[in-house]
Amino acid sequence: DTAVSQTPKYLVTQMGNDKSIKCEQNLGHDTMYWYKQDSKKFLKIMFSYNNKELIINETVPNRFSPKSPDKAHLNLHINSLELGDSAVYFCASSQLQGNTEAFFGQGTRLTVV
Amino acid sequence: GENVEQHPSTLSVQEGDSAVIKCTYSDSASNYFPWYKQELGKRPQLIIDIRSNVGEKKDQRIAVTLNKTAKHFSLHITETQPEDSAVYFCAATPSGNQFYFGTGTSLTVIP
Repeated sequence: DTAVSQTPKYLVTQMGNDKSIKCEQNLGHDTMYWYKQDSKKFLKIMFSYNNKELIINETVPNRFSPKSPDKAHLNLHINSLELGDSAVYFCASSQLQGNTEAFFGQGTRLTVV
Repeated sequence: GENVEQHPSTLSVQEGDSAVIKCTYSDSASNYFPWYKQELGKRPQLIIDIRSNVGEKKDQRIAVTLNKTAKHFSLHITETQPEDSAVYFCAATPSGNQFYFGTGTSLTVIP
């Protein structure tokens, strides 16, 4: 049973295209996140959603649009892809109360050519 | 948002030696401090965490210390083994649903 799953695992696309990454968690968590990990391995938070409500948007270009149809899903849509968007994108989830760990998906390696 | 600094960025130790990674944070509201290990090509996974009401926590070869006054916390790995080689991230959470990560430490354990 995969706790946090995201698809696809790999995504290669051309500049200017629009793409989506899907994420689902079966842990019953209230909060879901998107993180970007660049080539230097920095894990930078992009968005945080709590029960479908946007909590954090950390200066991410508006080409990135998260969508949370329900609290178990948080998808990431990226418009007009640029070379600098190439990175590994991680979805994660955690329980709001009680200060417990965040569980990560396996990551999506996005390569823009 | 919270600002978490982590040092060193790379660390090489001989097998059997100890490794120490240090982090500082800026937001005094942070009250939960997890540490994650990320092996090459894998997802980050929790190895140990500490809450603000505790100064130290130990789990076998891994320990974490927290100094809330100074706003810093550290990861200690004793008797290192080659399988400890990975990237380690600290994090601070100003609230239950905000995880801010340090810049990572690439640990290499030399057999």
